[in-house]
Amino acid sequence: EVQLVESGGGLVQPGGCLRLSCAVSGFTVSSNYMNWVRQAPGKGLEWLSVIYSGGSTFYADSVKGRFTISRDNSKNTLYLQMNSLRDEDTAVYFCARRLTVAGEPMDVWGTGTTVTVSS
Amino acid sequence: DIQMTQSPSSLSASVGDRVTITCRASQTIRNYLNWYQQKPGKAPKLLIYATSSLQSGVPSRFSGSGSGTDFTLTISSLQPEDSATYYCQQGHSAPTFGGGTKVEIK
Repeated sequence: EVQLVESGGGLVQPGGCLRLSCAVSGFTVSSNYMNWVRQAPGKGLEWLSVIYSGGSTFYADSVKGRFTISRDNSKNTLYLQMNSLRDEDTAVYFCARRLTVAGEPMDVWGTGTTVTVSS
Repeated sequence: DIQMTQSPSSLSASVGDRVTITCRASQTIRNYLNWYQQKPGKAPKLLIYATSSLQSGVPSRFSGSGSGTDFTLTISSLQPEDSATYYCQQGHSAPTFGGGTKVEIK
């Protein structure tokens, strides 16, 4: 069964850091395009980052230079290292697989982990 | 970045009604347009990809059309379980989502 389970969310002060994990079962992380998407309270969806099967990484401007996406192939797990956190980073963070078909849709999503940035 | 604009932002319709949601891209995205359904407290669910391809397991009352910059999601006969927020997303470049359309049942 395909499953993505995020963890690592919590309450952190502005300027702090947090590392999110996304444990994957049912497919191989390193063979897929893996993404992080977030949703601020009561708001829409915002794509943050992708790591391609070849290892290339890309980021939204809102997190570039502060967040780092990575993966551990031996653990089949995706990560998001978040530094210099701001109030506006408060959101539910989802990991998702992006398919390599027309439109590159995100077909499998985790349940999300909540990050709250507040003093 | 490509901006995605959805309309309406919310709608209320009766069971059995035909519902249409539109999505406009700020520049051409060919047919690289995907639709998601999200219910409160849940992750988004892929409904349609590449404008009109129905994701496996999604009821056939959902359909998509369009090309270039203008796209449409149609629910042919609204059901109670379709109460949700719907998002479009372009896959032409770095993904961006529309602002969402909240669909309520009268």
